[in-house]
Amino acid sequence: EAGVVQSPRYKIIEKKQPVAFWCNPISGHNTLYWYRQNLGQGPELLIRYENEEAVDDSQLPKDRFSAERLKGVDSTLKIQPAELGDSAVYLCASSPRQGTLNEQFFGPGTRLTVL
Amino acid sequence: EDQVTQSPEALRLQEGESSSLNCSYTVSGLRGLFWYRQDPGKGPEFLFTLYSAGEEKEKERLKATLTKKESFLHITAPKPEDSATYLCAVKGGGSNYKLTFGKGTLLTVNP
Repeated sequence: EAGVVQSPRYKIIEKKQPVAFWCNPISGHNTLYWYRQNLGQGPELLIRYENEEAVDDSQLPKDRFSAERLKGVDSTLKIQPAELGDSAVYLCASSPRQGTLNEQFFGPGTRLTVL
Repeated sequence: EDQVTQSPEALRLQEGESSSLNCSYTVSGLRGLFWYRQDPGKGPEFLFTLYSAGEEKEKERLKATLTKKESFLHITAPKPEDSATYLCAVKGGGSNYKLTFGKGTLLTVNP
């Protein structure tokens, strides 16, 4: 079974530029998460999707961050414009169903560096 | 607000030297406590879920235990390939089922 796929793996941009990250979850997983992990910290949830609906986006900085999950499968996370403080690893995870205690399966992440 | 504190921040062991990692938590209505392993440049890899105090789970050289305030990850006779960052996370009933992670413990096992 293929795991969570993310691209690109690495991205270097200058501040004020836009950037987008893509995630393909495990087949059949309805719940998709985007996390941000700063160096030396644990992951922090940005947004959670149930199918195509964003059910928890309370931690997403909506002035510059946006996300979508068209057709309830792949998802894209966008930052526009990027700031120096956005440098981090952006992790995508998926799990089979909402509201259960199923573990979350993580992708390898996208390491973003903002210069 | 759910909180997770892991200690120590870093631990260096010799191969075969057993030890334990600690995860202290405060949560409103614990729904589950999760342990993950994270290798450099990779996403967290699921290890265990514990649901209630007194529960224990084992996998190879790892054993996780849970009390009402903390969890321990015991590592018996570790090998160099056990070197990684170990993350603890909790899922509370009042947090829309999101995971709250600790900062992790960086484990290094020397041959």
